[in-house]
Amino acid sequence: AQSVAQPEDQVNVAEGNPLTVKCTYSVSGNPYLFWYVQYPNRGLQFLLKYITGDNLVKGSYGFEAEFNKSQTSFHLKKPSALVSDSALYFCAVRDAFYNQGGKLIFGQGTELSVKP
Amino acid sequence: NAGVTQTPKFRVLKTGQSMTLLCAQDMNHEYMYWYRQDPGMGLRLIHYSVGEGTTAKGEVPDGYNVSRLKKQNFLLGLESAAPSQTSVYFCASSEETSGGARGLDTQYFGPGTRLTVL
Repeated sequence: AQSVAQPEDQVNVAEGNPLTVKCTYSVSGNPYLFWYVQYPNRGLQFLLKYITGDNLVKGSYGFEAEFNKSQTSFHLKKPSALVSDSALYFCAVRDAFYNQGGKLIFGQGTELSVKP
Repeated sequence: NAGVTQTPKFRVLKTGQSMTLLCAQDMNHEYMYWYRQDPGMGLRLIHYSVGEGTTAKGEVPDGYNVSRLKKQNFLLGLESAAPSQTSVYFCASSEETSGGARGLDTQYFGPGTRLTVL
């Protein structure tokens, strides 16, 4: 069965420091991986996705994520955090062989708090 | 271009009442989805649709029905609301990806509907 885990409920970072939000996955075939961000009282917004190709994926707002097949991880990173990055971040996975529309499995979310 | 819109934004129901949540998208997307978001559980797929006139069950379909009579609209119905259905409901849509691996395009989410069932 497909699953995705975000081991940290909350991540606290000082503004200007690098940030990492962790995600690990489990799928039966090749994984398709996504990161979404949710600001308070808003819907989810797409940040980036890994389908194939380079393991380092660059996305919106200066975020990037590194796909590591051996560790089954897809951690979200940013070199220098901003206070405005404070939000809820979701990792999601789709099995390449799961041919039922665009069904995604979401992690439980990680609350990122960036302090000035 | 409004993207994905949802009505209503908020609703309070009593146990046993019924209601319909409306999702509309103006991006001509083939796929549409209904999720519910509960604290500490991420988003869980309720039902989805891969095209006009088609619907399919997701991860947590019980207690909900859906219809996709028009391509741009996806309705979520609660026939007899229960307190366990208190949640924030999100609709999303995506394009159909051509080729062997379908449904890999970005999902665009609506602003959500906050539903409380007393």
